[in-house]
Amino acid sequence: DTEVTQTPKHLVMGMTNKKSLKCEQHMGHRAMYWYKQKAKKPPELMFVYSYEKLSINESVPSRFSPECPNSSLLNLHLHALQPEDSALYLCASSQGWTNEKLFFGSGTQLSVL
Amino acid sequence: GDSVTQMEGPVTLSEEAFLTINCTYTATGYPSLFWYVQYPGEGLQLLLKATKADDKGSNKGFEATYRKETTSFHLEKGSVQVSDSAVYFCALRGYQKVTFGIGTKLQVIP
Repeated sequence: DTEVTQTPKHLVMGMTNKKSLKCEQHMGHRAMYWYKQKAKKPPELMFVYSYEKLSINESVPSRFSPECPNSSLLNLHLHALQPEDSALYLCASSQGWTNEKLFFGSGTQLSVL
Repeated sequence: GDSVTQMEGPVTLSEEAFLTINCTYTATGYPSLFWYVQYPGEGLQLLLKATKADDKGSNKGFEATYRKETTSFHLEKGSVQVSDSAVYFCALRGYQKVTFGIGTKLQVIP
């Protein structure tokens, strides 16, 4: 199994809603990542988890709250988002932290109304 | 900090034409370099990689050589197909972080 699975594929939410994005991998990877990608732009790193602990937070607003319940799962909890947060949210994983490639999920397309 | 400069597209080519997408980088140390491809509505997939100077990465007819002296990692393909139409990202891997270029959209017409 060389897949990173993200759910849901599409999400529409209002600015007062609370929702969660989920990401799962069963490759035994110890590093997991959240990226945000706006249309026609490259992915921007949001968070990095290393051995289930948050190791990098790229100054992301607190309305985005990551969680890593175990080595296979990564969640992104969303609360009080703004319309400008609408984007494709990509989860990725890698075996290590230097030369290894990233495995990406297909992403969650989020629209905030 | 690390950065990747990539030619902006879109690039439009006829089928069987030669492709070059330029990529240069700025980094401390000796990063690994990657090309990722993204098809519409999907996540990124690794196309090829190189981990040290003079390495050549290759996959599906695409090639790129890690040139430390010119800090470049240009993507080439001798004969593109319609199915190669996608967005191509050059990327640099430091410790824990991957820095992406802006992405180049390639459109191949029959």
